[in-house]
This record gives sequence, C-alpha cells and structure tokens, in this order.
Amino acid sequence: EAEVAQSPRYKITEKSQAVAFWCDPISGHATLYWYRQILGQGPELLVQFQDESVVDDSQLPKDRFSAERLKGVDSTLKIQPAELGDSAMYLCASSPTPGGTQYFGPGTRLLVL
Amino acid sequence: DQQVKQNSPSLSVQEGRISILNCDYTNSMFDYFLWYKKYPAEGPTFLISISSIKDKNEDGRFTVFLNKSAKHLSLHIVPSQPGDSAVYFCAASIYNQGGKLIFGQGTELSVKP
Repeated sequence: EAEVAQSPRYKITEKSQAVAFWCDPISGHATLYWYRQILGQGPELLVQFQDESVVDDSQLPKDRFSAERLKGVDSTLKIQPAELGDSAMYLCASSPTPGGTQYFGPGTRLLVL
Repeated sequence: DQQVKQNSPSLSVQEGRISILNCDYTNSMFDYFLWYKKYPAEGPTFLISISSIKDKNEDGRFTVFLNKSAKHLSLHIVPSQPGDSAVYFCAASIYNQGGKLIFGQGTELSVKP
C-alpha cells in the first residue's frame, strides 16, 4: 500500500537554529499539505500545494517558515530561526485532487530547546 | 473561532460494547467530513468519510452519521476492540475550496478488555 514518507521522524534543535523537514507524497498525488499539530489540539494547515504551486499559505508564519515543492513531487518545509513555540508535530498529507481524501505521513516530531 | 468541536476529550468503553464519538461544527458550508485515528508518535490514519448529501456511511465496524440540521456528526464503533484505543479526530472541509481540513481537538478512546 502506498504511503506518504516523511523524514526525519524526530528532530531536536536549539532555538535560533534552522531546521528542515522532507515529505514524499503518494505517487500521483498532485495535492500536498503541511500541517502542524500542537499537543492536545488537532492539526492545523500551514501550506497547501497543487503540483508545484502554493494555493494556500495564509496560516504559514512567513517571517520564519518557508515551503517548496520545486518539481511538484516531494516537498521541504523549513524553519529559520526556530523558536521554542515551534515545538510540535509536523505532518505532511497528500490527496489525488484538491478536496479528495487526505492521507498522512508519520510526521516529524520537533523539539526546540 | 473553533469551527469543529469535539467536546469530549476522553471516552472509556468496555470491549465488545459500542463506542460513540461526537463532533459538532458551526460552518454550514462544510460539505465533506472525515474521521481519522491517531496513535502516539504517528500520523493520523484515515478511517471513514461522509459527504453532506448522505446521512450515513458504513464501513465494517465503523459507521458515521451526519445530522446537517444539527450540524453534528458521530462515529460509531461496534463492537469496540482494545486495538481501537487511540485519539480520534473529526475533520471537515469545503470541497470546492481546495480541501483544507479543519480538525476538532480530538477524543481519546480507551477500550478496556
């Protein structure tokens, strides 16, 4: 069964450092999403791609977060500089079309010290 | 403004009995609803979905009911099994607005042998 891949699974960093997360969606899925989940809450959308284009980044803190999906396949989410409040689970999801069922990867657990 | 709410943070059920997880929403534009199951340190796993044109969808032990007039949906698990113990999230989206999922806060289900 095809799955969304994410790496690393865990990341510990110090505040003010840069971190990057990688996501490889299910093959053929044109729509890719990055969510952030803070403990005790549901995931919240950070950015949505359709192929290589950003279609929604309204909740992305653009002063420190950036995301790209250069060839419309895999994607990278970067934080620079990391802050203590960025500690969370970062989840990637993909769907065949916008509005279709989203399938999530295992996530990257980030701890900022 | 919490558009999707799961008012019960936890639920405990005996093995073999029915588990009922509830979810309320406020935005009448939502037309697609999903339930995800999440184990600690893993990404959410898609369970079942329902379109707003239906009021019930069933898949094995899982049934989702939608009451549009009350803006309420519920997930029934029958019979409950210890392996069902996890956090359950309901999510809602507007299909022709890109599929961005709005999640509830989650309900932690514990199924006791």
